[in-house]
Order: sequence, then C-alpha cells, then structure tokens
Amino acid sequence: DADVTQTPRNRITKTGKRIMLECSQTKGHDRMYWYRQDPGLGLRLIYYSFDVKDINKGEISDGYSVSRQAQAKFSLSLESAIPNQTALYFCATSTGATEAFFGQGTRLTVV
Amino acid sequence: DQQVKQNSPSLSVQEGRISILNCDYTNSMFDYFLWYKKYPAEGPTFLISISSIKDKNEDGRFTVFLNKSAKHLSLHIVPSQPGDSAVYFCAARRWGAQKLVFGQGTRLTINP
Repeated sequence: DADVTQTPRNRITKTGKRIMLECSQTKGHDRMYWYRQDPGLGLRLIYYSFDVKDINKGEISDGYSVSRQAQAKFSLSLESAIPNQTALYFCATSTGATEAFFGQGTRLTVV
Repeated sequence: DQQVKQNSPSLSVQEGRISILNCDYTNSMFDYFLWYKKYPAEGPTFLISISSIKDKNEDGRFTVFLNKSAKHLSLHIVPSQPGDSAVYFCAARRWGAQKLVFGQGTRLTINP
C-alpha cells in the first residue's frame, strides 16, 4: 500500500463545480503539502500545513482552499473550478528535515 | 520569479553513456538541494540530495555536484540505463523554511 494516497486518481469536472481532492498518509509525518504540476512550470506549491492547526498559503493559493482534518489527512478544494485549474495535483509529506514523499497524483480536467 | 531553473526541457543520451542534468538557482539563501525522478502516472520520488556545506554527493550511479559560487548544481548518471528515462526535477530549500522550490523539470530519454 502506498504511504501517501490520493483520491481520486483522475477526475473530469465542469466549470463552476466544487471539487475536493483528498490525501491521506501513513508515514506519521507532521508536514503535508499540495503541489500542482503544469508542463514547463514544474511543481508549484499551493498550500502547506505543519500540523492540524497550521495552514499556510503557497505561491499559487488563489482559487484553492484546504482542510487538515487530522494529522494524516489533508484535503484540497476548488470552490468553483475553472479550466486553467486543469493540471496534475500532488500531495506530499515530510518531517521537514528530509526529503518530501509524494502521492501518485490526481489528474484533474476542468471542462 | 523562477528561483530554480532547469533550462533544458529534454535530454537524449545513449545507453551506457553519462547523463548530465543541470539546474541553476538564484536565491543564495538556499542551503539544501534535492533531485527527484518522475515516471509517467506516478508521483515524484526522491533520488539524491546535497547540503550547501558539500560540493559533491554520490550514491551508486548518481552523483550531484554543487557549485555555490555559480549557483549551479548538476546530476550525473553513469552509466545511463533505459530505466533512467523519466522527468527529473531539481528542488531547493531555504534554511529555516520547510518547503521546497522546484525547477521546471528535464525529460531524460535513454536510447538503446
């Protein structure tokens, strides 16, 4: 079983719809992150959380919100999806002192 | 403002030869650098890292070199194997910040 699990793996949604991407981890890490990957732009940080009560905006947080329901769960929401939010989304965890561990990704298409 | 740049979107290398992937950064406060490898339909996986107090770190076929004065790092893969075909991301972390800044990625193709 994967240490960092993202659901769904693929999703097609319509413009204006609300959608939630979920991430859960079994690594016991405090820090969790949401990244988005776009061709030619690499991985860009959307939001990150250092514990349940700590939520921080990343470099591209507009149009997104997050919820840290528990140490092991970190959800990303698009309140009103738009086509330029079509991308590959990755959740990651870390202890902070070492490398980050990534989930397998969610491919989101907004039509 | 792209603080970490990988200027080569793609690289093609013959099997058995050396692959050299390059990465430049602009923020002198970065003190820890990492390389990740990503296969299609999978998340990035950690490959190798280097602290700013070192100029080289080696792990099997993979070696990362850091040139702080030039704000440049490189990943050498010797010998290159078909399974090395993937997208490689370089990433950097500023001292005291617990988040990574990624480059755009380089797609490496190893040809038989």
